[in-house]
Amino acid sequence: AQKVTQAQTEISVVEKEDVTLDCVYETRDTTYYLFWYKQPPSGELVFLIRRNSFDEQNEISGRYSWNFQKSTSSFNFTITASQVVDSAVYFCALLQRSASKIIFGSGTRLSIRP
Amino acid sequence: GAGVSQSPSNKVTEKGKDVELRCDPISGHTALYWYRQSLGQGLEFLIYFQGNSAPDKSGLPSDRFSAERTGGSVSTLTIQRTQQEDSAVYLCASSLQLSSGNTIYFGEGSWLTVV
Repeated sequence: AQKVTQAQTEISVVEKEDVTLDCVYETRDTTYYLFWYKQPPSGELVFLIRRNSFDEQNEISGRYSWNFQKSTSSFNFTITASQVVDSAVYFCALLQRSASKIIFGSGTRLSIRP
Repeated sequence: GAGVSQSPSNKVTEKGKDVELRCDPISGHTALYWYRQSLGQGLEFLIYFQGNSAPDKSGLPSDRFSAERTGGSVSTLTIQRTQQEDSAVYLCASSLQLSSGNTIYFGEGSWLTVV
């Protein structure tokens, strides 16, 4: 079975604060892929990052960084120096190599207050 | 086109009517997916196509829902005898072959309101 848990339903921070969105996954496959998507108020899902199970290197892209830890089955997402434009719903997702669909977490609604 | 294109972007229909939602995937993408997102909720998987065949249609909520894909490209999701609980955003996505973990790209969705 595969499952993605985003325990934080909503987070609200003041602009310029750092914020971390948690993602915990369950899978029995040894080969799998993890994703983060952003859904701004306009509704379109925007791809942010993909990580495969054999690559545990953390990644940084501008103010965004991702921490992948297989030991804890977590793939957390940190936004540094948050901005109002970061306000959106963020989804973590999992694809097992043996599966035919990506499973999404329930999403975390992030609000950045000016 | 450059991205996944969906139409209509918005549809209001009366309960009991049939609706068709169209998805035009990214050129060259063999895999196509339909998801549903109810207001304030997460994404619910409906169906997956590889080429014209649907190896996984386990997410279709009832026999009122059907989907087809022709020419390995455009897909149509049909909802017959719509009910108010069908109101949601229907999202289409496409990718290169799924098993290689290729990124799935989403369209802007079709907002369906059943009144």
